[in-house]
Amino acid sequence: NAGVTQTPKFRILKIGQSMTLQCTQDMNHNYMYWYRQDPGMGLKLIYYSVGAGITDKGEVPNGYNVSRSTTEDFPLRLELAAPSQTSVYFCASGLRGPGGNTIYFGEGSWLTVV
Amino acid sequence: DQQVKQNSPSLSVQEGRISILNCDYTNSMFDYFLWYKKYPAEGPTFLISISSIKDKNEDGRFTVFLNKSAKHLSLHIVPSQPGDSAVYFCAASAGNDMRFGAGTRLTVKP
Repeated sequence: NAGVTQTPKFRILKIGQSMTLQCTQDMNHNYMYWYRQDPGMGLKLIYYSVGAGITDKGEVPNGYNVSRSTTEDFPLRLELAAPSQTSVYFCASGLRGPGGNTIYFGEGSWLTVV
Repeated sequence: DQQVKQNSPSLSVQEGRISILNCDYTNSMFDYFLWYKKYPAEGPTFLISISSIKDKNEDGRFTVFLNKSAKHLSLHIVPSQPGDSAVYFCAASAGNDMRFGAGTRLTVKP
């Protein structure tokens, strides 16, 4: 039972480099999210998507881009990496239930920008 | 602006006793609330949720209470077990937006 799969798990980037964090889910969820977790700061929403072809900014979108060409995949692109983007990144997917959205997370991607 | 706050960074309880984790929110538009549990080097795991039309939801040893007038929710774990030791995040959502608190580290001592 794969759920939400993120790759890579660990990556070191140099300042100014670009990279893509991959996220795929096999639960046929409409909603997908990218969060970052900084120490002691909880989870901050970067971008989210309510379905293929639709994306929206969250709290901290600057320096990132996303696309949602299929239901399964929601890659996060970092352009011109900066030390402030050193963080743990979590992808999540979810469905809208009777009360609201319940989302399920991947295992995280640890990114260090040096 | 921190719309969801967990003011206690850590909590320590004895095995078998009750653990109470607290969460406050500021946005009255939030209508769905969740608790997640996180172990080191893993993603958060969904624990329990509550809709704003309820004031209590139980699932086994876990109960979530919601006080809308105070904009406060709490998670009760009874009885606490050493395996419950983890970081607990509360989350609040309005529509497609979901915000998280900073987390409370729970330690359950044998």
